[in-house]
Amino acid sequence: DTGVSQDPRHKITKRGQNVTFRCDPISEHNRLYWYRQTLGQGPEFLTYFQNEAQLEKSRLLSDRFSAERPKGSFSTLEIQRTEQGDSAMYLCASSLDPSGHYNEQFFGPGTRLTVL
Amino acid sequence: DAKTTQPPSMDCAEGRAANLPCNHSTISGNEYVYWYRQIHSQGPQYIIHGLKNNETNEMASLIITEDRKSSTLILPHATLRDTAVYYCIVSLTYSGAGSYQLTFGKGTKLSVIP
Repeated sequence: DTGVSQDPRHKITKRGQNVTFRCDPISEHNRLYWYRQTLGQGPEFLTYFQNEAQLEKSRLLSDRFSAERPKGSFSTLEIQRTEQGDSAMYLCASSLDPSGHYNEQFFGPGTRLTVL
Repeated sequence: DAKTTQPPSMDCAEGRAANLPCNHSTISGNEYVYWYRQIHSQGPQYIIHGLKNNETNEMASLIITEDRKSSTLILPHATLRDTAVYYCIVSLTYSGAGSYQLTFGKGTKLSVIP
């Protein structure tokens, strides 16, 4: 079990550019979450996948953001036309269905995005 | 919005017990109390959870008041590696479909001092 991995760990981009982040969850986990964390704040929920289906999106996820989880394995989060306000840590987490299991989400190390 | 209230920061001497309080006065009967922590530059890490009974595991103990409106996370012998932001979260018990997303507040920044 190698845990949740995210790539890249750091990304610096210029305003207006597109960026894509990747998350590899723990292999048997069917649930995958994306959160965003700005300085001094706790993580905020962005979106959730059950297997390959994106079932919930936060109002924080503007139309410039898109997430996919093809084949229910890894996930990508793309931000188009980045803005300085997109600068944050983007965290991915995975878990099993809570039934019979407590709601323990396993987080990756995050991708820190800086938009210049 | 987070349904919990925590002090923004606390200090604890190394080797002593760290007691981190959390208020969750609007918790409902089908919600658990969870604690996660986030060490600098890492993702959050699960610590412990409970419904109404006190719980203990290898990392910590969780004391929940009888009315369930508050709880305390206890790290019995804090070490420098316990320096982190600790988040108290209430989350629904599983009842089928739903994201069961975690709603984080700002947490308590615990500094363990040598």
